[in-house]
Amino acid sequence: AQTVTQSQPEMSVQEAETVTLSCTYDTSENNYYLFWYKQPPSRQMILVIRQEAYKQQNATENRFSVNFQKAAKSFSLKISDSQLGDTAMYFCAFMVSNTNAGKSTFGDGTTLTVKP
Amino acid sequence: NAGVTQTPKFRVLKTGQSMTLLCAQDMNHEYMYWYRQDPGMGLRLIHYSVGEGTTAKGEVPDGYNVSRLKKQNFLLGLESAAPSQTSVYFCASSRPQAGYTQYFGPGTRLTVL
Repeated sequence: AQTVTQSQPEMSVQEAETVTLSCTYDTSENNYYLFWYKQPPSRQMILVIRQEAYKQQNATENRFSVNFQKAAKSFSLKISDSQLGDTAMYFCAFMVSNTNAGKSTFGDGTTLTVKP
Repeated sequence: NAGVTQTPKFRVLKTGQSMTLLCAQDMNHEYMYWYRQDPGMGLRLIHYSVGEGTTAKGEVPDGYNVSRLKKQNFLLGLESAAPSQTSVYFCASSRPQAGYTQYFGPGTRLTVL
């Protein structure tokens, strides 16, 4: 079974600064997807960024980027130029490709507070 | 497009009562999921479906039943509610062609007294 660990239950950052959220996972699979989802206080969860394990290049989406270290089974999220709207709970998720109906395993989340 | 919608948004039940949560998606997604989220924890998969007429158990299925009679709808039932089922319930959908990204509903906050 796959496990996803987010070791930072809570983090805070000053507006306009950079913050990195950690995620590690455990799997014996070689082909998989990794995701970061954001859950703002309004509760609806949305995708922030996705990484396919076979791609060596780290995914980026505007101010969000990942540091994917496949050998170390690490998938951290970097938020640059933090904004007040980034305040949310962030979940790391793992999914084995093709074989399991798209089921994802989620970490317990990191609550990020951006301070003005 | 409305995306994924859930009905109701809030509900209070007494122990032993039954209820059904409705999830609807208008994105023509094949896969649908029901999760529960408890304080300080991530999402735990209750049941899921890979297509109309098919359902399967997830990580925490006990006390819940599901049905997917139409592709766009996924129902979660509680036959005899227990206080341990107090939680926030999320529905999600996905499809392989979209890289399995899950699209979530706004959640249902259920309290069982």
